[in-house]
Formats: sequence, structure tokens, C-alpha cells
Amino acid sequence: EPEVTQTPSHQVTQMGQEVILRCVPISNHLYFYWYRQILGQKVEFLVSFYNNEISEKSEIFDDQFSVERPDGSNFTLKIRSTKLEDSAMYFCASFQGYTEAFFGQGTRLTVV
Amino acid sequence: ILNVEQSPQSLHVQEGDSTNFTCSFPSSNFYALHWYRWETAKSPEALFVMTLNGDEKKKGRISATLNTKEGYSYLYIKGSQPEDSATYLCAFTPPRKTSYDKVIFGPGTSLSVIP
Repeated sequence: EPEVTQTPSHQVTQMGQEVILRCVPISNHLYFYWYRQILGQKVEFLVSFYNNEISEKSEIFDDQFSVERPDGSNFTLKIRSTKLEDSAMYFCASFQGYTEAFFGQGTRLTVV
Repeated sequence: ILNVEQSPQSLHVQEGDSTNFTCSFPSSNFYALHWYRWETAKSPEALFVMTLNGDEKKKGRISATLNTKEGYSYLYIKGSQPEDSATYLCAFTPPRKTSYDKVIFGPGTSLSVIP
């Protein structure tokens, strides 16, 4: 069974610090995503990535956020200067385009 | 704006009861409809992906139907068990000419099965 892996599982950071969330998507997939879920709220789309560039991003994905696929396997989400409201579960997903999306186990980000 | 709605928001049923919930999506921009089960402290797990009007899919006691003309899908659970307790997410993929790369999620239906 293919799987998407995310690290770390839990990250605690101080407000204003930079964090990098890591994901290893499924190797033959073409589309990669970051979603987040703030506690008690619905799943929110952040960004999609295809062919080594951002293909779409939401209003949430402002200049404080960036993504990259530095080595062809890892897919990272960077938050430059974290805010309290960035505390959420962040999920990476990998999508072939014709079947279901596969999600990682998530990273719980706590900004204090 | 592409929006996916789900109802009800939450549901409590007794073990053994059958239940169903609804997902509504834009019928004019459709490529695929997904259902996911999201158990607490786990990542969403895909249940079904459907693309054709009239599609019906089944996985054990769970089944789903799709009506692309009117823009809705039903998820049915027959004989609910406590392990079915989870949030059920519906997600929609529009065609590439609009926004193919995005899987748009509904808010979810939270199901609690009481033993």
C-alpha cells in the first residue's frame, strides 16, 4: 500500500520563528498538496504543486508560506514567521490525477 | 466559487442502525467526486472515487451513489458499528479548464455510533 509520510508528527515553535514541515509523497504521483485543519474547523486547501512549481494557492497561502521540492522526493512547506493562528494540523497529500488523494499522517503545529 | 456542502454536520446513531448523508457540489463543473473517512488522530483515508453519473460503489457495509446532473452524492452505511465513528469528507475535483489541480473538500459529516 503506497503511503505519504510526514515529519515531524508534532512541532512546537515560538511565534515569529520559521518552521519547515516535510513530506515524502508517493513517488510516481504528479500533484502534491498541502492542506491544514485548525482545531474544530474544516479542512482548508493551502497550495497545489505540479511540475516543480505552484499550480494553485489559496488566500491563506500568503508571502509567509513557501513550498519546494528540493531533491525530487521531499515536498516541504515553510512558514517564515509563524503566528498563533498558524497552529493547526498540516496534511500533505499526493494525487495522481485520476484516482484518490493519499494523505500523510499530518504534522501538528503549535505556535506559542 | 466552487463550493462543496455536506449535510448533516453531525449525526449520532445507535449501533446497528443504517444511516446516510449527503454531499452537494457544482454540477456544471465536474470531473470526479471522492469520499474520505477521517478518524480522530489519523489521516483521511479514501473510500471511493466516482466519475460517472449514476455510479454506485460499495465497500463492505458502506456504499455511495453519484448524480452529476443535479450535483449530489449519497453515502450509506448499513448496520453502523462503533468503528464507523469518524468524520466523512466529500471532495470534488473540477475539470482542468477550471481548476483541475485542486481537490475541494466539504466541511464533513461527523458520525458517532453509540454502542
